[in-house]
Amino acid sequence: EVQLVESGGGLVQPGRSLRLSCAASGFTFHEHAMHWVRQAPGKGLEWVSGINWDSGSTAYADSVKGRFTISRDNAESSLYLQMNRLRSEDTGFYYCVKEKWMVVAGGWFDPWGQGTLVTVSS
Amino acid sequence: QSVLTQPPSVSGAPGQRVTISCTGSSSNIGAGYDVHWYQQLPGTAPKLLIHADKDRPSGVPERFSGSKSGTSASLAITGLQADDEADYYCQSYDTSLSGVVFGGGTKLTVL
Repeated sequence: EVQLVESGGGLVQPGRSLRLSCAASGFTFHEHAMHWVRQAPGKGLEWVSGINWDSGSTAYADSVKGRFTISRDNAESSLYLQMNRLRSEDTGFYYCVKEKWMVVAGGWFDPWGQGTLVTVSS
Repeated sequence: QSVLTQPPSVSGAPGQRVTISCTGSSSNIGAGYDVHWYQQLPGTAPKLLIHADKDRPSGVPERFSGSKSGTSASLAITGLQADDEADYYCQSYDTSLSGVVFGGGTKLTVL
C-alpha cells in the first residue's frame, strides 16, 4: 500500500523556523517528483513546492520563495520542507503528495498524506 | 485569487446531474496542460477523482466524468448521492508561473 506520513507540525512563533518531514512507503520513491500542498483553515488548496526525482530541480510558490526549502533523501524515501521566517499566513495543514511523473510537470497527485498542522502564532 | 476559477458552490437533488467548471487561461489549461480533479470530504485529505482531463482512477464510480475544451475544464457528477457532498478542486500546471495551480474549490451540496 502506498503511504505518505507527514510529521513535524506544531505551534511556532512568527519569524521562527520549522522542518516538516514526510516518510514514503509502498512505491519506488526515486521514480517520482514530490510536492508539498497546504490548506489554511477553512480555505482552499495551495501548492507550496515541488522537487524532481533527483533533486535536480525545485519549484516554489511565490508566497514562500526565499523562505522555504524543499529537499529529499531517496535513500531514506523521505521528503522535507524547511520553513524559515514563518508568518501567520503560513498557518494550515501541510500535505505531502506524490506526483505521477519523475519531474514537476503538471502530473496528478496521488496519494495524499493525512497532513500535519502548522500554527504560526505568538 | 486563484489562477483557475471555480464556482464557490453548486447544489443538486439526489439523482440529479451537476457540473463544476474550471476556467483557466492560455498559460495553463489553454496551453494544453492536463487538468486533474480532487474530492475532499469533510475532515479528510483530498483524494484524486479524475486525472488527465477525463480518466478515472480505479475505484472511482462512472458517475464522475471530466472534460476539457480550450481554456476550461468541467467535472460532471450524475446520479447525485448524499455522500458526494464535499469540496471539489481542479489542478493544472502554469507555464508563466512555472508551478502547479489549483482552483479555489467548489462546495457541492446535495439537497
